[in-house]
Amino acid sequence: GQQVMQIPQYQHVQEGEDFTTYCNSSTTLSNIQWYKQRPGGHPVFLIQLVKSGEVKKQKRLTFQFGEAKKNSSLHITATQTTDVGTYFCAGLTQGGSEKLVFGKGTKLTVNP
Amino acid sequence: DARVTQTPRHKVTEMGQEVTMRCQPILGHNTVFWYRQTMMQGLELLAYFRNRAPLDDSGMPKDRFSAEMPDATLATLKIQPSEPRDSAVYFCASGLGRVGPVNTEAFFGQGTRLTVV
Repeated sequence: GQQVMQIPQYQHVQEGEDFTTYCNSSTTLSNIQWYKQRPGGHPVFLIQLVKSGEVKKQKRLTFQFGEAKKNSSLHITATQTTDVGTYFCAGLTQGGSEKLVFGKGTKLTVNP
Repeated sequence: DARVTQTPRHKVTEMGQEVTMRCQPILGHNTVFWYRQTMMQGLELLAYFRNRAPLDDSGMPKDRFSAEMPDATLATLKIQPSEPRDSAVYFCASGLGRVGPVNTEAFFGQGTRLTVV
């Protein structure tokens, strides 16, 4: 079945440092979504990428979708304590599937 | 504002007891997902529905778990009998499903934290 791998599992940074999490799928994806879950909370949608090679930005967050539509990354510039949480990628396989499969997430902690 | 509502928020039960979790999706959403979250496995997709019809429940242990949508405003996840290994946070999420080639975002409920002792 479809698998979505995400690395690293944990990342601890000093406030102001950059952070990147990577997502890889065993199959070609039709699109990929990113979510953030704060400690004790529920996943909240951040963004969706659809096109091969697509890059989207939200303030200090940059999202990329690979050319082969099998990998994606989220980069945060100059982390802040408010960025703390777990970041998940979630992929949908091609072929009309609506099965949203999540990676295991990257837990980010930020030292002030 | 529109949100997915899950009840109960917390549930502690003894092994062997039946557990029913409920979810009210956002009005107008036609897709409902059930996920289980644990430290070890992350977010596992248990089942999902489109227009109340089950599309995939391959992630769900069939012998003890069942998921239904009695109507468009209610989704249920039932465990009978419950076991300690079922302890997890269970999330329901809803969305508008696929619109052309693009799938819309999933809106998550607050989750049900289940502890089976």
